Amino acid sequence: DAGVIQSPRHEVTEMGQEVTLRCKPISGHNSLFWYRQTMMRGLELLIYFNNNVPIDDSGMPEDRFSAKMPNASFSTLKIQPSEPRDSAVYFCASRQGLAGAGDNEQFFGPGTRLTVL
Amino acid sequence: KQEVTQIPAALSVPEGENLVLNCSFTDSAIYNLQWFRQDPGKGLTSLLLIQSSQREQTSGRLNASLDKSSGRSTLYIAASQPGDSATYLCAVPLPNQGGKLIFGQGTELSVKP
Repeated sequence: DAGVIQSPRHEVTEMGQEVTLRCKPISGHNSLFWYRQTMMRGLELLIYFNNNVPIDDSGMPEDRFSAKMPNASFSTLKIQPSEPRDSAVYFCASRQGLAGAGDNEQFFGPGTRLTVL
Repeated sequence: KQEVTQIPAALSVPEGENLVLNCSFTDSAIYNLQWFRQDPGKGLTSLLLIQSSQREQTSGRLNASLDKSSGRSTLYIAASQPGDSATYLCAVPLPNQGGKLIFGQGTELSVKP
């Protein structure tokens, strides 16, 4: 298996522009998570999906952030408009069980390094 | 509120040394605890997952222990190698919040040849 795939790996954009990050989870995994990593705050969960349905988006910082999972093999995280403080590494992770069982490993993608100028 | 702390923040050891990384958590009601490795500029690689009913998990030179009652976990690395240099993070899921992982800040390990 190729593991969790994220694109792009690096994104540099200007303040105010729309940014879309993409994720393909491991085939057969039921749950998908979006995390953000910064030096100041470490790793934080933004949102997660069970069977393509958003369950908890309490970590999404603002209305400028939105996430979708139109099918079991694809998810997007969109920031519109982007701001310099959104600069971070964004990780996507997936797991086999439904998030709630709590006993399955999460597998992470390589991340997207976002820089907003 | 669950908080996860890792000590030390950074560690430098000579090659061949055995070492222990520490992770503590404030709420002992956890399903499991997961240890990850992160190389610079890369994603997280899952190393070990210990279920709440277990006390230890081993994988090669790595051994992770879990003591729920004291809110602590340790990651033991035997015969360290320069290739072990990375940041090691521990994480616990919040109960009844479906897999939401709370991460420690990590321990940055450097193994000198």
